[in-house]
Amino acid sequence: DAGVIQSPRHEVTEMGQEVTLRCKPISGHDYLFWYRQTMMRGLELLIYFNNNVPIDDSGMPEDRFSAKMPNASFSTLKIQPSEPRDSAVYFCASLGAGSSYNEQFFGPGTRLTVL
Amino acid sequence: TQLLEQSPQFLSIQEGENLTVYCNSSSVFSSLQWYRQEPGEGPVLLVTVVTGGEVKKLKRLTFQFGDARKDSSLHITAAQPGDTGLYLCAGANDMRFGAGTRLTVKP
Repeated sequence: DAGVIQSPRHEVTEMGQEVTLRCKPISGHDYLFWYRQTMMRGLELLIYFNNNVPIDDSGMPEDRFSAKMPNASFSTLKIQPSEPRDSAVYFCASLGAGSSYNEQFFGPGTRLTVL
Repeated sequence: TQLLEQSPQFLSIQEGENLTVYCNSSSVFSSLQWYRQEPGEGPVLLVTVVTGGEVKKLKRLTFQFGDARKDSSLHITAAQPGDTGLYLCAGANDMRFGAGTRLTVKP
């Protein structure tokens, strides 16, 4: 298995632009998580889905952030408009319901820089 | 949300030394996980502890879950440069992480 795939790996954009981050979970996994990591705030859970349905989006910072999962093999995290404080590494992770201990598998992350 | 506090925040030691890092909370967890994250990569699961008082060993790493299931520790024996990384604990219930301990092992 290729593991969790994220694209792009790096994104540099200007303040005010729309940013879309993409994630392909491991095939057969029915949970998908989006995290944001910064030195100041650590690894923060933004939102997670179960069977393509958003379950908990309490970590989404504000209305500028939105996430979708149109099917079991694809999810997007969109920021519109982007701001410099959104600069961070964004991780996607997936989990299989059959996992004994809720082991999450993380993608390599997207490093976002908003100028 | 169950908050997890990790200490120390940073730790720099020489190869061959022993170390212990901690993960504490005021909440009870049904299970707790430890992950290691290397630069430029996502976290990777090391272990899940489930039972109060449980001790699990993974080569030179020893994980302990507190009797009250509110805290956990990770002890590394004879640290090696390959152990360098960010060690994160997470509550398996709600998938939220502590801030981590950034470990550097110097050769």
